Amino acid sequence: EVQLVESGGGLVQPGGSLRLSCVASGFTFTNYWMTWVRQTPGKGLEWVANIKQDGSEKFYVDSVKGRFTISRDNARNLLYLQMNNLRVDDAAVYYCARDLNPSPVDHWGQGTLVTVSS
Amino acid sequence: QSALTQPRSVSGSPGQSVTISCTGTSTDVAAYNYVSWYQQYPGKAPKLIIYEVNKRPSGVPDRFSGSKSGFTASLTISGLQAEDEADYYCCSYAGTYFYYVFGTGSKVTVL
Repeated sequence: EVQLVESGGGLVQPGGSLRLSCVASGFTFTNYWMTWVRQTPGKGLEWVANIKQDGSEKFYVDSVKGRFTISRDNARNLLYLQMNNLRVDDAAVYYCARDLNPSPVDHWGQGTLVTVSS
Repeated sequence: QSALTQPRSVSGSPGQSVTISCTGTSTDVAAYNYVSWYQQYPGKAPKLIIYEVNKRPSGVPDRFSGSKSGFTASLTISGLQAEDEADYYCCSYAGTYFYYVFGTGSKVTVL
């Protein structure tokens, strides 16, 4: 059974940083692209970033370019999202998901909540 | 890249059919046969129910079907059941710059 478990969310002040983690199990992690998607009540679902199997290609939504970095540790089946210079509008539930690139994003974690507030 | 447009809400009685539309542009829905649909219950993660316009993952009831014509994709739920009451989101691949564009979401209510 595919399992994705996120962690690392929390409350951070504007301008602060957080690193989200996602541990994967139940599938061969090195065979898949991986993606981060976020969800807010106001803006719905938004794709944030994805990363190729070997980490050699990474793509980001424009609003996070230069502030967020996606990475992976294939030896430990871990996916990361380093979020710097956080803004109020980055507040969301962040989901880690398996990405069959070019489609679909097929399995999702339970999400981790990021709150950005002073 | 703007979100794909979905109706805010759709409703139907048990046993009826409902259809949710998802309208995009020439750079997403119309350009690729990579439209997927997700079902989401409150407080839960989205679940894939349709991919590549009209394919169902294993375990998804055949009451759920997808189609596409031009700029608009559609999800039809036939024989509506109480358990189908949830939020539904479409998603389209949009090339290697915008990657994935999601719909605005539709709430399905079973009357």
